[in-house]
Amino acid sequence: NAGVTQTPKFQVLKTGQSMTLQCAQDMNHEYMSWYRQDPGMGLRLIHYSVGAGITDQGEVPNGYNVSRSTTEDFPLRLLSAAPSQTSVYFCASSYSSGGNTGELFFGEGSRLTVL
Amino acid sequence: GQSLEQPSEVTAVEGAIVQINCTYQTSGFYGLSWYQQHDGGAPTFLSYNALDGLEETGRFSSFLSRSDSYGYLLLQELQMKDSASYFCAVLNTGGFKTIFGAGTRLFVKA
Repeated sequence: NAGVTQTPKFQVLKTGQSMTLQCAQDMNHEYMSWYRQDPGMGLRLIHYSVGAGITDQGEVPNGYNVSRSTTEDFPLRLLSAAPSQTSVYFCASSYSSGGNTGELFFGEGSRLTVL
Repeated sequence: GQSLEQPSEVTAVEGAIVQINCTYQTSGFYGLSWYQQHDGGAPTFLSYNALDGLEETGRFSSFLSRSDSYGYLLLQELQMKDSASYFCAVLNTGGFKTIFGAGTRLFVKA
């Protein structure tokens, strides 16, 4: 059982480049989300999705796009990378509200550096 | 808007009990979760409270008072491996959208 899988684990970009962070889950979770975590800080919600075809903005959505074409996948796109987007990115998923235990399942994280 | 407040650092001795408090302000409150994160790792789920009262899971307990917008995580019989960051997180909007606090760094001393 793989759980939540993020790729790549490490990435270095130049300012202005674009890239996609991949996230896939095999637990049939309806809810998926992306967070960023800067050194010594908490996790800030970028975007989230409550099901295929449905996405919404979180606390810090600027500079990022998401889509949810399948239940399993929730990619995060950086349109034009900036040094301020240097961070560790975590993807998370959870059950639907009908069986919500409050638990988010996290991927291992993707460490992004923008030069 | 939403906000969560928790202490930035707590230090305790091995074998002791420590309480990490969390106060929150949010609309559409659904529940309060707690996570542990070791350096370089991903957050891992510890506990969840949707209703007032105490939830116990082994050495960890979590408490919620919805009327006071307050909760805490209680760690008993502290071990060195408990040295980590602990985050409270509010669930709202039907139990999906989860917002995290800034975290409390726990140092356990021998």
